Amino acid sequence: GAGVSQSPSNKVTEKGKDVELRCDPISGHTALYWYRQRLGQGLEFLIYFQGNSAPDKSGLPSDRFSAERTGESVSTLTIQRTQQEDSAVYLCASSFASRGTDTQYFGPGTRLTVL
Amino acid sequence: GDSVTQMEGPVTLSEEAFLTINCTYTATGYPSLFWYVQYPGEGLQLLLKATKADDKGSNKGFEATYRKETTSFHLEKGSVQVSDSAVYFCALSETSYDKVIFGPGTSLSVIP
Repeated sequence: GAGVSQSPSNKVTEKGKDVELRCDPISGHTALYWYRQRLGQGLEFLIYFQGNSAPDKSGLPSDRFSAERTGESVSTLTIQRTQQEDSAVYLCASSFASRGTDTQYFGPGTRLTVL
Repeated sequence: GDSVTQMEGPVTLSEEAFLTINCTYTATGYPSLFWYVQYPGEGLQLLLKATKADDKGSNKGFEATYRKETTSFHLEKGSVQVSDSAVYFCALSETSYDKVIFGPGTSLSVIP
């Protein structure tokens, strides 16, 4: 079946603008995760959804970042008033259940560049 | 807090050489351990995993053994190929919560 998809694949924006990143998880996957990967660095956890609730938002770097999920489907990550340090690849992953021991399937990412 | 440390890259090997990428972790409980791989232009994908001490994960000729006494999960392959060129991420997940903590990644280039 189809894997995790993300859109857009690339986004260039000006400092101060808002951006929305979209993730479509694998059908039937109840858990959805957002990560950020800055250039040359590892993955940084942002937020996790179980269904449409977010039990763990501990990784969101500031109140400019927010995310929502509709049921067990699409999720959007919104960054308001973007800053240059927000430039990164934003990765979405989904898994069948909520336990971290289950395999996470990653999307191709959205490369965000803030000028 | 929990963390993962990997050997720094980039690592460059000749084809058919032996590969070791070191990974050590710090965790409060008994985590599951993973190796993820990111091939050029592709998304992250799970390479192998181990869920308890002394377990060996293996896939595509790669192996890693969960060593609780040394808190390590080193990745090995006996004979690398050019197609193994990628970035490799060691990761852990505690069973008590749901996020996966990743190491910084190690870039591997295999030359013919």
